[in-house]
Amino acid sequence: DAGVTQSPTHLIKTRGQQVTLRCSPKSGHDTVSWYQQALGQGPQFIFQYYEEEERQRGNFPDRFSGHQFPNYSSELNVNALLLGDSALYLCASSLISFSTDTQYFGPGTRLTVL
Amino acid sequence: DAKTTQPNSMESNEEEPVHLPCNHSTISGTDYIHWYRQLPSQGPEYVIHGLTSNVNNRMASLAIAEDRKSSTLILHRATLRDAAVYYCICSKAAGNKLTFGGGTRVLVKP
Repeated sequence: DAGVTQSPTHLIKTRGQQVTLRCSPKSGHDTVSWYQQALGQGPQFIFQYYEEEERQRGNFPDRFSGHQFPNYSSELNVNALLLGDSALYLCASSLISFSTDTQYFGPGTRLTVL
Repeated sequence: DAKTTQPNSMESNEEEPVHLPCNHSTISGTDYIHWYRQLPSQGPEYVIHGLTSNVNNRMASLAIAEDRKSSTLILHRATLRDAAVYYCICSKAAGNKLTFGGGTRVLVKP
């Protein structure tokens, strides 16, 4: 059973560019959450998708947007990249009917903005 | 979500128990207490969770204070592979958002 997978592993972009990160949830999971983890800090919640709609959103600007597909996979898009967007982007999946919120995380995508 | 407070770091010797404290004085009655850990260069990994009663699984034990304002994660016999940052998180049952703090960095010495 494959766990959560993310692509690409690493990415280098320049300021002002746009980036798309991808996530495939664990088999059987229907909810995908995205987190940003700056170096030396804990992950920060960006948003969560369920049934192809954004269900919850953290304190991130509109430059951060997402999408969930019918097969439950998800994309995170970041427009007009800033140096401060350099971070590890983590995807986590869960089953919404499972009330205790256990989430399974992928290995992350390391984004570097130059 | 309730704010959690954890020590920045702890050290332990291999094969000795590790007790990781967490304070969550503003926890609400419907908040679960979750523990995740993050090994170097990996995403966070679920460790254990509980609501009111103490919990045990193959990885660890979770001891929850009677007033639920604090909890302790117990690693019974630390191994070098347990070296990680451990996060204590209070999360409402109905939502899936996890609010991470700074966590406790655990160093295991051989």
